[in-house]
Amino acid sequence: DVKVTQSSRYLVKRTGEKVFLECVQDMDHENMFWYRQDPGLGLRLIYFSYDVKMKEKGDIPEGYSVSREKKERFSLILESASTNQTSMYLCASSQLGGGPGNEQFFGPGTRLTVL
Amino acid sequence: DAKTTQPPSMDCAEGRAANLPCNHSTISGNEYVYWYRQIHSQGPQYIIHGLKNNETNEMASLIITEDRKSSTLILPHATLRDTAVYYCIVRWTGNTPLVFGKGTRLSVIA
Repeated sequence: DVKVTQSSRYLVKRTGEKVFLECVQDMDHENMFWYRQDPGLGLRLIYFSYDVKMKEKGDIPEGYSVSREKKERFSLILESASTNQTSMYLCASSQLGGGPGNEQFFGPGTRLTVL
Repeated sequence: DAKTTQPPSMDCAEGRAANLPCNHSTISGNEYVYWYRQIHSQGPQYIIHGLKNNETNEMASLIITEDRKSSTLILPHATLRDTAVYYCIVRWTGNTPLVFGKGTRLSVIA
């Protein structure tokens, strides 16, 4: 069974802390994505990566950074967490290639609360 | 911004067909229509995609109008486990990130 796993389902952090959200996929996918999901706003793309050490900004990159040192792992970093970063964070992966059937596989999500 | 319009919510009786509409009047010739769903407390899950022909798989059928400006996702025999938010997405290639709109919240009622 293909899998995208995220390091925590629930996380509570304090304002100003540095937060790492980890995502690992076992499908040898080149593409990896980070989204956040908030009530009334839906899923919004933060960052994505098409290859190791490569990153692209999504729609809402401010306040976040990412790291892709290995193909299977994509980390989202909140350098100094703020209360408006309280959200559900979802990681996804997909194969590289322009084929239309290239679906994205999502992890279960990490619900982050910043106090 | 999402390029699709969906009703915010729908109800369906268990065992009946659920027909979820989507308008995508600005779709371009090389863009595909994708459907994903998100069950509560889980990540989104791929359902089906199509370009202009109708498509069917083990989960659902996708009917795309001839002018491609709208489509309908059909769950032929809805069950309680089909209760979820359903997202209709248009994109030109599988290599681009998904852009999610608000989706349709489908409630299957016993």
